[in-house]
Amino acid sequence: DTGVSQDPRHKITKRGQNVTFRCDPISEHNRLYWYRQTLGQGPEFLTYFQNEAQLEKSRLLSDRFSAERPKGSFSTLEIQRTEQGDSAMYLCASSVLGSEQFFGPGTRLTVL
Amino acid sequence: SQKIEQNSEALNIQEGKTATLTCNYTNYSPAYLQWYRQDPGRGPVFLLLIRENEKEKRKERLKVTFDTTLKQSLFHITASQPADSATYLCALLMNTGFQKLVFGTGTRLLVSP
Repeated sequence: DTGVSQDPRHKITKRGQNVTFRCDPISEHNRLYWYRQTLGQGPEFLTYFQNEAQLEKSRLLSDRFSAERPKGSFSTLEIQRTEQGDSAMYLCASSVLGSEQFFGPGTRLTVL
Repeated sequence: SQKIEQNSEALNIQEGKTATLTCNYTNYSPAYLQWYRQDPGRGPVFLLLIRENEKEKRKERLKVTFDTTLKQSLFHITASQPADSATYLCALLMNTGFQKLVFGTGTRLLVSP
């Protein structure tokens, strides 16, 4: 299967801990997106990469959040000093210009 | 303020009937409108894309209409099946240079045998 993969699928952490998620996009896709989804809501845009360049960040992305895509392939999203409000599904998607976005299965984060 | 509205109540229909889902938006000027399907615990899956200069798009049992004057899209599933039960998300694709998707809250469809 050559779809978008995310790791881990589930993460439970205690408030104040740091967590890091990984996304592996479809190999020929140069665009990568992170979204956050809470129960009963649609996904909310967090940030976007074109190749290795982070070109857009939502105001939702506080300074505790950082994302990287060091070689224009996989991406990581780190949340420092997690808070209970960070509990959500974190979705990664990839695309090529002018086409639909392909989503991964998501990482469900629970902050206790 | 900017809003994308989808019916938050679940839509219950009988197998074989046509399901019609609505997406209304305000204060957006999207380049495209997309519909995604999402099953519980999974990421959204792309279904259809319609451009601002297109009125209607079809794919198998799916049909999407897009009225930029009314700022509304209708999503139809004909001959619905229990396997069509899922949440359907409307998403606007902004012409901002990097194709940011803005999602509605989704409508849950339940198709009964």
